[in-house]
Amino acid sequence: GAGVSQTPSNKVTEKGKYVELRCDPISGHTALYWYRQSLGQGPEFLIYFQGTGAADDSGLPNDRFFAVRPEGSVSTLKIQRTERGDSAVYLCASSLMSGDRNEQFFGPGTRLTVL
Amino acid sequence: KQEVTQIPAALSVPEGENLVLNCSFTDSAIYNLQWFRQDPGKGLTSLLLIQSSQREQTSGRLNASLDKSSGRSTLYIAASQPGDSATYLCAVGSGNTPLVFGKGTRLSVIA
Repeated sequence: GAGVSQTPSNKVTEKGKYVELRCDPISGHTALYWYRQSLGQGPEFLIYFQGTGAADDSGLPNDRFFAVRPEGSVSTLKIQRTERGDSAVYLCASSLMSGDRNEQFFGPGTRLTVL
Repeated sequence: KQEVTQIPAALSVPEGENLVLNCSFTDSAIYNLQWFRQDPGKGLTSLLLIQSSQREQTSGRLNASLDKSSGRSTLYIAASQPGDSATYLCAVGSGNTPLVFGKGTRLSVIA
């Protein structure tokens, strides 16, 4: 069956540009998460959606970052005025169950490089 | 604030050896713990999910244990193979909240 997919797989942009990263979760999964992973580190939480609404956006580093999930399925992470420090792998995950059976499934990630 | 630590940071073993990866967390009020595998340049593959009420989970040559009260989990890999070489990440979850990850253990199995 289809897993979580993310596009593009790689994105190279210049400092100051705007980028959009897309995540297609597993069909039927109501929860969707965005994480960011820097080299040699574990993923760090950015934002979490339950359905269409952002249930927790406390991990977004500043107001240049925001994400949407207008129909409760596909999500887009948007970064304005990119900075070199934004370079990282952006991972998306989705899950179906709640509580202690909330197993998250991850996509392959988008590697963002800001020159 | 939950913190997750994984020891060792890197491990190199000869093929066929049994090995243990360690994970510790500071807040025992967790709902579950997941172990993931990450190959270079790839996303995360879920290996095992242990619910808070469980003590261990097994999948093939992998066995993960959970001791919530002491804030520890171990991932045991039996009869290691070169194909097991990857980074192994431990993450704890509390309900629907985001996972908190350790930095991972980079495993190399030498043929």
